[in-house]
Amino acid sequence: EVQLVASGGGLVQSGRSLRLSCAASGFTFADYAMHWVRQAPGKGLEWVSGISWNSGYIGYADSVKGRFTISRDNAKNSLYLQMNSLRPEDTGLYYCVKEIVSYYYYYGMDVWGQGTTVTVSS
Amino acid sequence: QSALTQPPSASGSPGQSVTISCTGTSSDVGTYKYVSWYQQHPGKAPKLMIYEVTKRPSGVPDRFSGSKSGNTASLTVSGLQAEDEADYYCSSYAGSSKYVFGTGTKVTVL
Repeated sequence: EVQLVASGGGLVQSGRSLRLSCAASGFTFADYAMHWVRQAPGKGLEWVSGISWNSGYIGYADSVKGRFTISRDNAKNSLYLQMNSLRPEDTGLYYCVKEIVSYYYYYGMDVWGQGTTVTVSS
Repeated sequence: QSALTQPPSASGSPGQSVTISCTGTSSDVGTYKYVSWYQQHPGKAPKLMIYEVTKRPSGVPDRFSGSKSGNTASLTVSGLQAEDEADYYCSSYAGSSKYVFGTGTKVTVL
């Protein structure tokens, strides 16, 4: 069974840092681009960041660029999101998501984890 | 990097069809054929319904179809069923390794 399990969320004060992790299983993690997508309470989806299968392509939403860093460890089947200088508007459920087509970055996202909640207090 | 524009709501009776629009710009929907659609039920993770404008992942009913013209993409749900009531989001590749999502549409089955 394909599975993505995100962890590392929690309650943090504005300006502090958090590191999210995502453990992947059930597929060849090293072959697929991965993304982080977040959803503020009662709001829509917002793409946060993505990384290609070999880390050669990395993208960030303008709202997090310069503060967040995405990375992956293919040997550990793991995806990470280092979040610095957190703001109250970063509050939300953070989903770890898999790209549908191997070795490509932009086709669509077919597997979504259960998410991990980040709450930033002011 | 602005969100794609979707109508806030759409509705139809069981068996009818509903079409949701997704309007972007020449920097995203208008340039790339990489538009996808997601269904989200309350309290659940999103589910991929359409990718690459018209393709359906395995297991998605053929009642769901996608299209694109210029800067606007569309999702049509034919033969509406009660379980189709959900929020729907479009998404597009926007170049430079970036994605953008739509504002979301709540579909109600009357």
